Amino acid sequence: EPEVTQTPSHQVTQMGQEVILRCVPISNHLYFYWYRQILGQKVEFLVSFYNNEISEKSEIFDDQFSVERPDGSNFTLKIRSTKLEDSAMYFCASSVSASGANVLTFGAGSRLTVL
Amino acid sequence: GESVGLHLPTLSVQEGDNSIINCAYSNSASDYFIWYKQESGKGPQFIIDIRSNMDKRQGQRVTVLLNKTVKHLSLQIAATQPGDSAVYFCAEILYNTDKLIFGTGTRLQVFP
Repeated sequence: EPEVTQTPSHQVTQMGQEVILRCVPISNHLYFYWYRQILGQKVEFLVSFYNNEISEKSEIFDDQFSVERPDGSNFTLKIRSTKLEDSAMYFCASSVSASGANVLTFGAGSRLTVL
Repeated sequence: GESVGLHLPTLSVQEGDNSIINCAYSNSASDYFIWYKQESGKGPQFIIDIRSNMDKRQGQRVTVLLNKTVKHLSLQIAATQPGDSAVYFCAEILYNTDKLIFGTGTRLQVFP
């Protein structure tokens, strides 16, 4: 069964450092997403991406965050200068079409720990 | 669980019993609802969905009920098995948006 893969599974970084989380969505999917989950809290939407541009983003997704699809297979989330409160599980997801029409498939997540 | 669970409501059931997990959603403009299951160390996994023009949908061992009047969603799992132990999230999508809004989650514990 096709799956969304994410790397690294766990990253520890110092506050102020840049972090890049990587995702390989399912190959025929066109819509890509990042969500995050702070320990003990809900899964929260960060950003959706379609046709090489951001289609929607939340208030969490400020100027410190960026996304990129550098080639035909990877989808990355960059945090320029990490803060303690960025510590969370970050989930990548993809779908064939927009959320309202089709099911998202989530990856296993990347745990980010900011010290 | 490593990603959720410190303060989640918990439902404990005996193996073989039926489970009912409830969710209240917030926005009357939501037109699509999904239940996700999250096992420890994994991402959310799709279980079943329902559109706002329906009030019931059945899958294999699972049924989702939607009550738009009181903005309530429930997930029924028949003959609950140990492998059903996980955190269950409901999620809603507002009309004409592309983001899932997740609920708080309920931890289901199944005892043999």
